[in-house]
Amino acid sequence: KQEVTQIPAALSVPEGENLVLNCSFTDSAIYNLQWFRQDPGKGLTSLLLIQSSQREQTSGRLNASLDKSSGRSTLYIAASQPGDSATYLCASTNTGNQFYFGTGTSLTVIP
Amino acid sequence: GAVVSQHPSRVICKSGTSVKIECRSLDFQATTMFWYRQFPKQSLMLMATSNEGSKATYEQGVEKDKFLINHASLTLSTLTVTSAHPEDSSFYICSARDSRQGVVTPLHFGNGTRLTVT
Repeated sequence: KQEVTQIPAALSVPEGENLVLNCSFTDSAIYNLQWFRQDPGKGLTSLLLIQSSQREQTSGRLNASLDKSSGRSTLYIAASQPGDSATYLCASTNTGNQFYFGTGTSLTVIP
Repeated sequence: GAVVSQHPSRVICKSGTSVKIECRSLDFQATTMFWYRQFPKQSLMLMATSNEGSKATYEQGVEKDKFLINHASLTLSTLTVTSAHPEDSSFYICSARDSRQGVVTPLHFGNGTRLTVT
């Protein structure tokens, strides 16, 4: 069974700083990897999806990379803002249907 | 973009009662939907895969008789928590993917249902 781990579990940074969130997975046979954002008590918002054939995806200040061979993905957030404060989750799809979620990184951007 | 609507967003019920949660795909068809459960400060745990027109597939350790899933149409799946107990209190989230586009498309999530059993 796929195991997905995220490091660090929590992160606090001053506003304006660039940061990297890490996601590792044990089974490299994935279809895709998706990054989500979750605000307290809310559902999930999809941020970026990287297909297994891709190396990275970008959306605004966000850049996600994927290295299947090493079982790693990173989410880079540029020029962080207080509104970026949330929990970030990564999830991999192995079978085409089921997602395996990471443990999440709780990000706090300090004004 | 694709939208998944989940209702209700919050529900409080007494022990022993049943609660139904609805998950609708608003602008796409979904032959498969997924139900997750999230405890405080923990990640999402897949409970079951809901299949349109057939029985749901439950993950190990999830009681199928307690968490009844019905996927009667291509846009609606329901999760019924039967004879709820306080330990069933949790955040339940559904998700779906556009069936016509397959695994290359993002999985979309509902906003979740906060269930509190008193």
